[in-house]
Amino acid sequence: DARVTQTPRHKVTEMGQEVTMRCQPILGHNTVFWYRQTMMQGLELLAYFRNRAPLDDSGMPKDRFSAEMPDATLATLKIQPSEPRDSAVYFCASGLVIGVGEGNQPQHFGDGTRLSIL
Amino acid sequence: AQSVAQPEDQVNVAEGNPLTVKCTYSVSGNPYLFWYVQYPNRGLQFLLKYITGDNLVKGSYGFEAEFNKSQTSFHLKKPSALVSDSALYFCAVRDIGTGRRALTFGSGTRLQVQP
Repeated sequence: DARVTQTPRHKVTEMGQEVTMRCQPILGHNTVFWYRQTMMQGLELLAYFRNRAPLDDSGMPKDRFSAEMPDATLATLKIQPSEPRDSAVYFCASGLVIGVGEGNQPQHFGDGTRLSIL
Repeated sequence: AQSVAQPEDQVNVAEGNPLTVKCTYSVSGNPYLFWYVQYPNRGLQFLLKYITGDNLVKGSYGFEAEFNKSQTSFHLKKPSALVSDSALYFCAVRDIGTGRRALTFGSGTRLQVQP
């Protein structure tokens, strides 16, 4: 079964440190999503890429967060500097969009990176 | 704007009984609707979707959902619950009529199936 792979699975670091989370989407998928899940806010969309181009990053704090896709097999989410309020589980998901059928196919989620900022 | 509401934080049901997890949505156009399930320490897994056509859609693990346009609802159902169905369930919507391409997820409903 093809899967979305996220690394690391767990990360504990001190406030102010840079954090980089990585995601390998399913081969052939052309959309990538980054979500953040917390008890208080639930599941929040941070960024959305199609064909490696960012289409929606309105949910991402721009001053400290950045998301990129250096190539089709790697997506990264960086936090610099990190703060305790960034503690959450970060999920990457990928999907396939063909033609005008955008949004009608399911997203495939990785198992997340559990981030703790001390 | 698109939004989705899951009015119940938790649903409790006995094994073997039917289960329903509720979802209502708000869109300006027509919706794409999805259900996902999340097990502990795992990502969300796709269960089923409504895009167009038959209002009753069937999905994985014996789950089904009924699209009701007049009530703007998309409730998840299963005729006979299993203990292994205990998990967190998310409803999600995309408004075809708007420019927002991504899904909006509900707050989740925890399903607890008692033996």
